[in-house]
Amino acid sequence: DTEVTQTPKHLVMGMTNKKSLKCEQHMGHRAMYWYKQKAKKPPELMFVYSYEKLSINESVPSRFSPECPNSSLLNLHLHALQPEDSALYLCASSQELFGTAYTDTQYFGPGTRLTVL
Amino acid sequence: DQQVKQNSPSLSVQEGRISILNCDYTNSMFDYFLWYKKYPAEGPTFLISISSIKDKNEDGRFTVFLNKSAKHLSLHIVPSQPGDSAVYFCAASARGEAGGTSYGKLTFGQGTILTVHP
Repeated sequence: DTEVTQTPKHLVMGMTNKKSLKCEQHMGHRAMYWYKQKAKKPPELMFVYSYEKLSINESVPSRFSPECPNSSLLNLHLHALQPEDSALYLCASSQELFGTAYTDTQYFGPGTRLTVL
Repeated sequence: DQQVKQNSPSLSVQEGRISILNCDYTNSMFDYFLWYKKYPAEGPTFLISISSIKDKNEDGRFTVFLNKSAKHLSLHIVPSQPGDSAVYFCAASARGEAGGTSYGKLTFGQGTILTVHP
């Protein structure tokens, strides 16, 4: 099973709302990633967790707050977002932090399409 | 600073012919390269990868070539099929740079839209 699941599939929120995106994998992977993808652009890395600890934060604004409650689950908490934050949010996982041996790819979920009004 | 570039935004090919997608990179620390395919409203799907110790890797209809001196890689799809129509992303990683700024990350190119006509 090489599946990464993400919920919800679509989310519409106002600028004052608080919402969360959820990502789950049951492949025993120890590294999980959040990416943001705008239309006609490549995925941009936001956060990386390795063994449930935040390993990389790509200078993401604090209105995005990641959380890794356990090795299978990754959340992205959203608060006071701006319309320009509207994008496809992708979650990915890999065996270990990408860069170590035996980690040959990242597996991506289908994404959450976020619209901020 | 775009470290991975796919200079062709789109490519149109006839079914049965070869599709060649190109990718250039600037960071000499990159030593592992991947190609992903993405359909609309789906996440990227891994296709094939190559380590910098090789210059070619083949998997079925897909072959990736790496020219380290030119910092260039290409994906060949032979024969092309209509189901191959998608956006193709090249990605790179610095696996050997433990603790470096690129460690743990995948850097993606802008993507090339491939359309295979029946």
